[in-house]
Amino acid sequence: DQQVKQNSPSLSVQEGRISILNCDYTNSMFDYFLWYKKYPAEGPTFLISISSIKDKNEDGRFTVFLNKSAKHLSLHIVPSQPGDSAVYFCAASAQTGRRALTFGSGTRLQVQP
Amino acid sequence: GAVVSQHPSRVICKSGTSVKIECRSLDFQATTMFWYRQFPKQSLMLMATSNEGSKATYEQGVEKDKFLINHASLTLSTLTVASAHPEDSSFYICSARAVDRETTEAFFGQGTRLTVV
Repeated sequence: DQQVKQNSPSLSVQEGRISILNCDYTNSMFDYFLWYKKYPAEGPTFLISISSIKDKNEDGRFTVFLNKSAKHLSLHIVPSQPGDSAVYFCAASAQTGRRALTFGSGTRLQVQP
Repeated sequence: GAVVSQHPSRVICKSGTSVKIECRSLDFQATTMFWYRQFPKQSLMLMATSNEGSKATYEQGVEKDKFLINHASLTLSTLTVASAHPEDSSFYICSARAVDRETTEAFFGQGTRLTVV
């Protein structure tokens, strides 16, 4: 039973345009959400997080939106750059991040020059 | 950000041997460390949660006698794959949470690629 789902295995975007990566969750106990970027044979690198008390968090080119009623979050990258090409994982945690992370299956983003 | 070092990054071993993977928090103290496993093109699956000075908590389906976890200090946790077999070949990743933070981004090590031949 996948509690965190990323239904798009891949996404291709032109450089300079917006990348939107989506994530859905089923566990209503999740109250802390994170996005990680990962290259092959490396550990995930933290990008941005959001607590369930917020609906938006912004950090430079990265913005995460949370829709609790829909149990949906998205990561917006604008403008997209070729260096953003990687696999992006959505993760969720209960107890305000004090529990282990549950990961989605990942979305491979390819930013075309 | 905080640094988590995982060693070795790659190991090839013969079937039946044991392999130890170390996870160190370099610039912070970690009360809790997590061990994940990733199969090709799949998500990171939590194997166990390790708390300093106590026994690890294993996820359902993870053999505690196969995957031995020791968290002897606030900066070091080890995962030993006992009597490794080819089906244990995978990418293993640890993460650590800082003592002094209510919430944390759970910083990750760089991972260990284990190949059992």
